[in-house]
Amino acid sequence: GAGVSQSPSNKVTEKGKDVELRCDPISGHTALYWYRQSLGQGLEFLIYFQGNSAPDKSGLPSDRFSAERTGGSVSTLTIQRTQQEDSAVYLCASSWGGVGAEAFFGQGTRLTVV
Amino acid sequence: KNEVEQSPQNLTAQEGEFITINCSYSVGISALHWLQQHPGGGIVSLFMLSSGKKKHGRLIATINIQEKHSSLHITASHPRDSAVYICALADMYSGGGADGLTFGKGTHLIIQP
Repeated sequence: GAGVSQSPSNKVTEKGKDVELRCDPISGHTALYWYRQSLGQGLEFLIYFQGNSAPDKSGLPSDRFSAERTGGSVSTLTIQRTQQEDSAVYLCASSWGGVGAEAFFGQGTRLTVV
Repeated sequence: KNEVEQSPQNLTAQEGEFITINCSYSVGISALHWLQQHPGGGIVSLFMLSSGKKKHGRLIATINIQEKHSSLHITASHPRDSAVYICALADMYSGGGADGLTFGKGTHLIIQP
């Protein structure tokens, strides 16, 4: 597609269940980012993929969070044993990765843990 | 790390008013983004600036690199412009790098009919 696509757009899950969030970046973009916005908070960096390099996972809040990017394209963010504080909007962005490269954002996935 | 300050935090205006949202930062950047976040959480990238001024419809964005300041203007504001507007910085040497972008806290704009 023409833009960054995220799925699902909304997800309600029970506490303790695992969830997977998907991001389809713009074709050819080498950089992919995951961000999180909790209620009333600013955007928070989670993880960054650049080409074939090892991802920067410094923003992941706990070891329940993991992400992978297959074939340098689609990325999946997995949250295991979800907690209520995981409820947030999860945003994905992609770019060409160069200096000052414009980041294109997906519409986000709203995750609610009940 | 770049410090980003947006003002105002909240703004309520009447339909038709001219709106200005400001973003200041502390360290030189390679680019600045203006983003619009709708009530449902979805984000739209409005502009990316590295210098000067850009215009799209009723939206105008300017940046002054020397003063480390950018403004987003909305002319003839409309209730559908109600959203959170966020400025995001790409640091000069990171290339959008390991931390990606640095985000402002956002300006919550409400346009009343």
